[in-house]
Amino acid sequence: DVQLVESGGGLVKPGESLRLSCAASGFTFRGYAMNWVRQAPGKGLEWVSSISNTATSIDYADSVKGRFIISRDNADNSLTLLMNNLRVEDTAVYYCARVERFETAYYGMDVWGQGTTVTVSS
Amino acid sequence: IVMTQSPLSLSVTPGEPASISCRSSQSLVHGTGRTYLDWYLQKPGQSPQLLIYLGSNRATGVPDRFSGSGAGTDFTLKISRVEAEDVGVYYCMQPLQTPYTFGQGTKLEIK
Repeated sequence: DVQLVESGGGLVKPGESLRLSCAASGFTFRGYAMNWVRQAPGKGLEWVSSISNTATSIDYADSVKGRFIISRDNADNSLTLLMNNLRVEDTAVYYCARVERFETAYYGMDVWGQGTTVTVSS
Repeated sequence: IVMTQSPLSLSVTPGEPASISCRSSQSLVHGTGRTYLDWYLQKPGQSPQLLIYLGSNRATGVPDRFSGSGAGTDFTLKISRVEAEDVGVYYCMQPLQTPYTFGQGTKLEIK
């Protein structure tokens, strides 16, 4: 089965760090770009970061730029989001999602994980 | 790019049609000529799921009662006959340029 499983969420204090992981299985991970999308409690969806299949292209939302780092290990079929200097407003469920995306092709975020909850509170 | 959905909620009788509008603050036409606009559904307690990509392409396994249309800056998701399992929040999203942005969401309830 095609699957994405997030882990690493938890309760942290403002200013602290957290590392989220996303384990991929059932598909050729190196063939897909990956996104992190978050959802604050009771709110809508917010794109956080994306990384191309070869990690040569990386982007961040302005709200996390300079604090979060996305990376991937295609040998290990894993995606990581290192979150530094966390703020209360980073509290959310964080989803990883795969996307088949190339310069002339795009097929949407067709597989999502179940999400991992990050709570930032003093 | 700002994405604006309407209505923000709707209540539909099973078997009746439903329509959700999404407007972008600038054209979503890619250099390839394709329109970069997705629709996602988040059912209660679940992760989002892809319904439509590139404006009008149904994702694998999506029933044909769902259809996407539109061009440029105005888009529509239509459900030809709403079923009970269609409840949830529908989001449009532009993947044309970063930061990728979602609409506010439209909550669909069953009457």
